[in-house]
Amino acid sequence: AQSVAQPEDQVNVAEGNPLTVKCTYSVSGNPYLFWYVQYPNRGLQFLLKYITGDNLVKGSYGFEAEFNKSQTSFHLKKPSALVSDSALYFCAVRAPSGSARQLTFGSGTQLTVLP
Amino acid sequence: DTGVSQDPRHKITKRGQNVTFRCDPISEHNRLYWYRQTLGQGPEFLTYFQNEAQLEKSRLLSDRFSAERPKGSFSTLEIQRTEQGDSAMYLCASSLGQSDQPQHFGDGTRLSIL
Repeated sequence: AQSVAQPEDQVNVAEGNPLTVKCTYSVSGNPYLFWYVQYPNRGLQFLLKYITGDNLVKGSYGFEAEFNKSQTSFHLKKPSALVSDSALYFCAVRAPSGSARQLTFGSGTQLTVLP
Repeated sequence: DTGVSQDPRHKITKRGQNVTFRCDPISEHNRLYWYRQTLGQGPEFLTYFQNEAQLEKSRLLSDRFSAERPKGSFSTLEIQRTEQGDSAMYLCASSLGQSDQPQHFGDGTRLSIL
């Protein structure tokens, strides 16, 4: 079975500082990995994905993520945080084939950027 | 607006009543997914469709839950004989047919059971 762990329920960072939101995963085979952001009372908004290729992927709003196969991690990063980045962030994994085509999400990390 | 649309946004009902939610996906997307999200948790997969075919429904929470997508366009999720534990946000997502394509989510239907 596939699973995702987001070890930090809450991350606080000062505006202008770099931010990291951690994610580790477990899946059979090569993973498809995704990051989503959720604002209050809204659905999830796609940020970026890793399918294959370069381990550093860039996405929307200046976010990027680094895939590390040996550590089974896919941490979300941004060089300089904005107050408007404050939201709930979800990491998700999907197996590339087989019956487990659905996304499995982590429990989320609440990011607060302090002015 | 060309995003995923869900209706209603909020539904309050008494325990034991039936409820139905509607999802209109992005028009060119042939895959449609339903998820449930409870407070403090990530979305939990329920079921998905490829066009009008329901390809995975074993994750539906009980036989009180059912979903349809009769013409391969919009979809409905029905919960019969609602229970207190059904209170949650129900999210719909759609995507193109390839597995590497991201799912695009609607804003959800928040269900509250009195």
